[in-house]
Amino acid sequence: EAGVVQSPRYKIIEKKQPVAFWCNPISGHNTLYWYRQNLGQGPELLIRYENEEAVDDSQLPKDRFSAERLKGVDSTLKIQPAELGDSAVYLCASSLPGLGNNEQFFGPGTRLTVL
Amino acid sequence: QKEVEQNSGPLSVPEGAIASLNCTYSDRVSQSFFWYRQYSGKSPELIMSIYSNGDKEDGRFTAQLNKASQYVSLLIRDSQPSDSATYLCAVNRDQAGTALIFGKGTTLSVSS
Repeated sequence: EAGVVQSPRYKIIEKKQPVAFWCNPISGHNTLYWYRQNLGQGPELLIRYENEEAVDDSQLPKDRFSAERLKGVDSTLKIQPAELGDSAVYLCASSLPGLGNNEQFFGPGTRLTVL
Repeated sequence: QKEVEQNSGPLSVPEGAIASLNCTYSDRVSQSFFWYRQYSGKSPELIMSIYSNGDKEDGRFTAQLNKASQYVSLLIRDSQPSDSATYLCAVNRDQAGTALIFGKGTTLSVSS
């Protein structure tokens, strides 16, 4: 079974430029998460989707970050404009729906460097 | 107080020894507990989940949970150099698919 797929794996941009990350979850996993991991820290949630609905976006910096999950499968996370402090690894994870099914599986991540 | 706390290490053990990794959490209503392994430059990989008090064993790994003490641990028996990685403890408030709260991780180094 294929795991969570993310692209690109690496991205280097100048500050104030836009950037987008793409994620395809494990087949059948209705719940999708975007986390950000800074160096030396654990991942922190940015947004969680149940199918197409964003059910927890309280930690998403909405002035510059946006996300979508059209058709309840693939998801895109966008930053516009990027700031130096956005340099981090952006991780997508997915899990099965329903109670008791909250083991989350991570994709390889996108390492973003903002210059 | 941070929600999930781990000793950052590094924890150094010789090959073949038992490595003991510890984690405490602050939210008493937490229901689900996970250990992830993260190699340098890679993403977190789920190695253990535990939901009830007591021990859960999977191969060389044993997770231990004590909800009264708000404490969860991971034991790695017969440690191998390939176990050298950062181990992240993660906690979830309920059994539904809500966000995981991660600790900063403990770096384990197994010397041959």
